[in-house]
Amino acid sequence: GQQVMQIPQYQHVQEGEDFTTYCNSSTTLSNIQWYKQRPGGHPVFLIQLVKSGEVKKQKRLTFQFGEAKKNSSLHITATQTTDVGTYFCAGPYSGAGSYQLTFGKGTKLSVIP
Amino acid sequence: DAGVTQSPTHLIKTRGQHVTLRCSPISGHKSVSWYQQVLGQGPQFIFQYYEKEERGRGNFPDRFSARQFPNYSSELNVNALLLGDSALYLCASSSMTRNTEAFFGQGTRLTVV
Repeated sequence: GQQVMQIPQYQHVQEGEDFTTYCNSSTTLSNIQWYKQRPGGHPVFLIQLVKSGEVKKQKRLTFQFGEAKKNSSLHITATQTTDVGTYFCAGPYSGAGSYQLTFGKGTKLSVIP
Repeated sequence: DAGVTQSPTHLIKTRGQHVTLRCSPISGHKSVSWYQQVLGQGPQFIFQYYEKEERGRGNFPDRFSARQFPNYSSELNVNALLLGDSALYLCASSSMTRNTEAFFGQGTRLTVV
């Protein structure tokens, strides 16, 4: 079945440093979604990328979808303590009338003030 | 507008017992999906329902079942609970079956002792 892998599993950064997490799928994706989960919270949708090579920005966050639509990355510039949480990528799987998201294990970001 | 609501928020059960978790989707959303999130892992797909029909089932034993009601709310049932069923159970609603973001509820934290 479809697998989605994320690295690194953990990342500790000083406030102000940059952060990047990488996501790889075992299959070509129609789109890729990114979610953020704060400690004790639930996943919150950040963005969806659809086109090959697509790059989207949200303030200090930059999301990229690979040319082959099998990998993606999230880059945060100048991290802040509010960026703390676990970042998940998720790829949709649709078959036989179903639609499900396959999540990576996530990258847990800690920001040291 | 209310977001996705789940009840209860926390639950402690004994091995062998049965549990029912409830979810109300965002108004107007007809698709409800259930995910299990074990500590330190990404959400894992359990079921998807759309228009009261099961559209997808993940790799979970038959002890797990679900249904969707005419008002699009949903229940997840787990029989013969095992210690390994302890997890955060997340409900996600979306407006369509495909290629769309998932809105997660705050989850039900189930502890099996």
